[in-house]
Amino acid sequence: DIQMTQSPSFLSASVGDRVTINCKASQNINKYLNWYQQKLGEAPKLLIYNTNNLQTGIPSRFSGSGSGTDYTLTISSLQPEDVATYFCLQHSSRLTFGSGTKLEIK
Amino acid sequence: QVQLKETGPDLVQLTQTLSITCTVSGFSLTTYNVHWVRQPPGKGLEWMGAMWNGGGTDYNSAFKSRLSISRDTSKSQVFLKMNSLQTEDTAKYFCARQGYYGGLDYWGQGVMVTVSS
Repeated sequence: DIQMTQSPSFLSASVGDRVTINCKASQNINKYLNWYQQKLGEAPKLLIYNTNNLQTGIPSRFSGSGSGTDYTLTISSLQPEDVATYFCLQHSSRLTFGSGTKLEIK
Repeated sequence: QVQLKETGPDLVQLTQTLSITCTVSGFSLTTYNVHWVRQPPGKGLEWMGAMWNGGGTDYNSAFKSRLSISRDTSKSQVFLKMNSLQTEDTAKYFCARQGYYGGLDYWGQGVMVTVSS
């Protein structure tokens, strides 16, 4: 089974900061990597699919990059409404989630 | 629009069986795959298994033979059944649709299930 290692587990940043979150797969996942945002008590929301494709309706400050085993979610200018937990999902072979990154405003 | 809604018990007794129904609308179960995912309180997400659009299933080996997924296409429902529940099965259970490009694109709100002794 493919394992996903996500970092950091916790992140505190200021409004307007550039924020990056990383996921590393235990093997090549060929860009089959999605990013989700989950606010407290809510269902996860798809932000990015297949590494770098922005889901409809998601603000352009969110972007994704990566290849092989290493992937990154970037928020170009952090907004107060971005406070949430973010996690990655590989769907190259079955599904495996990253452990999540809790993002707060400093 | 696409919607998924989970219904099930709030509380299940230790060693008993959990049954949850996912009712979908806005798409056909014969076109899209539906997955089950759970999230223990304060923890990460765990993939449990899937109902393929062709009627087959796939399961996370971590659940061995405890888990069963089935469907009723006429009612647009997917069912999760898991037996021999333990306290560590206390979690929020979600159903989610697999999108055209892969991964999960739409999720239900989830149902919180507590396993009690």
